[in-house]
Amino acid sequence: AQSVTQPDIHITVSEGASLELRCNYSYGATPYLFWYVQSPGQGLQLLLKYFSGDTLVQGIKGFEAEFKRSQSSFNLRKPSVHWSDAAEYFCAVEITGGGNKLTFGTGTQLKVEL
Amino acid sequence: GAVVSQHPSRVICKSGTSVKIECRSLDFQATTMFWYRQFPKQSLMLMATSNEGSKATYEQGVEKDKFLINHASLTLSTLTVTSAHPEDSSFYICSANGQETQYFGPGTRLLVL
Repeated sequence: AQSVTQPDIHITVSEGASLELRCNYSYGATPYLFWYVQSPGQGLQLLLKYFSGDTLVQGIKGFEAEFKRSQSSFNLRKPSVHWSDAAEYFCAVEITGGGNKLTFGTGTQLKVEL
Repeated sequence: GAVVSQHPSRVICKSGTSVKIECRSLDFQATTMFWYRQFPKQSLMLMATSNEGSKATYEQGVEKDKFLINHASLTLSTLTVTSAHPEDSSFYICSANGQETQYFGPGTRLLVL
């Protein structure tokens, strides 16, 4: 079965600093890849997704992610973090032809210091 | 973007009672909706896939008789936790299948006393 690993449970960065959240997946083929953000009281919001093509994908709120097949990774990045980015971030994969089912990583809690 | 609502946002009930949670897609139709459960500090675990007009498909280990799912229309799926026990206390999240992605509801916090 496929699995998703987010090695960092908590990350703290200063406002204005760059950010990288790690995500690795385990699956024989290349799945569809997603990053979601969860804020208290709100539903998960899609930041970006990768289906195919250009391995560097741009998302909302200034986020980007790069798919690296050789490393089975899909790390999320932002060059300059804002205090409002503090939230829980989830990486997720969907097996192609898997009925749109998502498998989520355990999440990374981002704290932003002012 | 597409909006999915859940009602109630939080509910407290006594052990042994049943609780119904509604999931609605407000501005689009969804033939498929998903129900997840999220424990504190943990990830979302898929419980079941809800298909409009047919029976739900449950993930391994999820009791279908305990977690009743009904998807009677293209905009509404319900999850009923029957004979709830304290171990059923959790955060339940639904999502609706849209174009190329799922749209998530804000979640329902269930506390069983």
